[in-house]
Amino acid sequence: DIQMTQSPSTLSASVGDRVTITCRASQSFSSWLAWYQQKPGKAPKLLIYKASSLQSGVPSRFSGSESGTEFTLTISSLQPDDFATYYCQQYNSYPRTFGQGTKVQIK
Amino acid sequence: EVQLVESGGGLVQPGGSLRLSCAASGFTFRRFWMSWVRQAPGKGLEWVANIKEDGSQKYYVDSVKGRFTISKDNAKNSVFLQMNSLRAEDTAVYYCARDSGTGFDCWGQGALVTVSS
Repeated sequence: DIQMTQSPSTLSASVGDRVTITCRASQSFSSWLAWYQQKPGKAPKLLIYKASSLQSGVPSRFSGSESGTEFTLTISSLQPDDFATYYCQQYNSYPRTFGQGTKVQIK
Repeated sequence: EVQLVESGGGLVQPGGSLRLSCAASGFTFRRFWMSWVRQAPGKGLEWVANIKEDGSQKYYVDSVKGRFTISKDNAKNSVFLQMNSLRAEDTAVYYCARDSGTGFDCWGQGALVTVSS
C-alpha cells in the first residue's frame, strides 16, 4: 500500500497569508494525486487533481505541485472561507489512500 | 445538477448487517466508476471500495474484504454497499463519490452508520 504522510497536522494562519501543505508518498508514482477541502459536517470537495490541475470552479489561489514523492498544496492568499481541513489522496494504485489531514485554523 | 444522495444508515449491533444506497442524478451514471469513502468520528477519510462503470470490476480496502460488497444498478442510477459482520470500528459516516479517474469529483452528503450494542 502507498502511505501518504501529510504535514503539518495543524496550521495556524491569518487571512492573506501564503499557506503550504505537504504530502509525502511512501513510494514513487506519477501525478495521480488529488487534494480535497473539508469543512465540519460537510462532504469533502475536490480542489486539485493530477497533482496540479485545478478543478472547475475552484479559485485560482489554490495550486498544486509535485517533486519526486513530495506533493504540495499552496493557497496563495488565505481567505476566510479557506479555514478547513485538507486531505491529499493518491489514486495511482489500490487501495486508494488519503493523508491524515491538515487543519488550517485561524491564528 | 450532479447529485448523490445516500440512504440506509443507522444503528446496528456488532455482527449485524446494513445496506447503504446512493442515488445519482444529473449525469450519465453508467459511464462512471463509483466509490464509497468513510470517515470515523473525528478521524480522517478512508476509501472503502469502488466499482467499474459496468460493475465488472470491484476493489476493496483490506479491512472490509469478505464482509462488504459493492454493487451498481445502472438502470436505477444507484450504487450500493452491503455491509455484513459489522464491527465497532466500522462506525463512520459513509460517503458515496463519483470516481472520475481524476479523483472523487462529486460526493453525497453522507450516511451515518453506528455499530454498537
